[in-house]
Amino acid sequence: EDKVVQSPLSLVVHEGDTVTLNCSYEVTNFRSLLWYKQEKKAPTFLFMLTSSGIEKKSGRLSSILDKKELFSILNITATQTGDSAIYLCAVGGGSQGNLIFGKGTKLSVKP
Amino acid sequence: DAGVTQSPTHLIKTRGQHVTLRCSPISGHKSVSWYQQVLGQGPQFIFQYYEKEERGRGNFPDRFSARQFPNYSSELNVNALLLGDSALYLCASSWGVAGELFFGEGSRLTVL
Repeated sequence: EDKVVQSPLSLVVHEGDTVTLNCSYEVTNFRSLLWYKQEKKAPTFLFMLTSSGIEKKSGRLSSILDKKELFSILNITATQTGDSAIYLCAVGGGSQGNLIFGKGTKLSVKP
Repeated sequence: DAGVTQSPTHLIKTRGQHVTLRCSPISGHKSVSWYQQVLGQGPQFIFQYYEKEERGRGNFPDRFSARQFPNYSSELNVNALLLGDSALYLCASSWGVAGELFFGEGSRLTVL
């Protein structure tokens, strides 16, 4: 069965800390791995990764994919209270070709 | 440009009733997907439609059905509602079958 596992499930840090969120997967017909940020309702797109070892960056956020070891990490440096959210990892593939989501990591950034 | 729009945003139903949720994709996007998100869980895939054809279906009972219209908008129907159907229903659109999905704000369904 296809699955996506995120860790930790929740994390509390203080402003200025650096965090690393993990995502491992076992998905047939892998096409891509995506990261989303969900604050209230709509998940908002962060990154899409398709190739191993190529880091994608956007401001204080960065992500990298390892297709050999079947995992990805999302790094956030110099965290701010506005980074508080649920971070979802999703893998495109499986028998239906749809996105398969992990349970998410709930990040709380304290002032 | 408008993003993905969903209606209604909130609704309350009782067991046994049916519900219709609506979604308008981003202009130019031809694919619409539906996901169910139960509290504390990641979104679970229900359906994907592309060019008005069903392209994928998740592990949901036949009480769940959907369709896509010529203007690429979509409806999700759920019959004989159960308490366990209470969830946030997310619609997402994309230009093609694959690629990143852009999500709407969701429809929060509560079944009493």
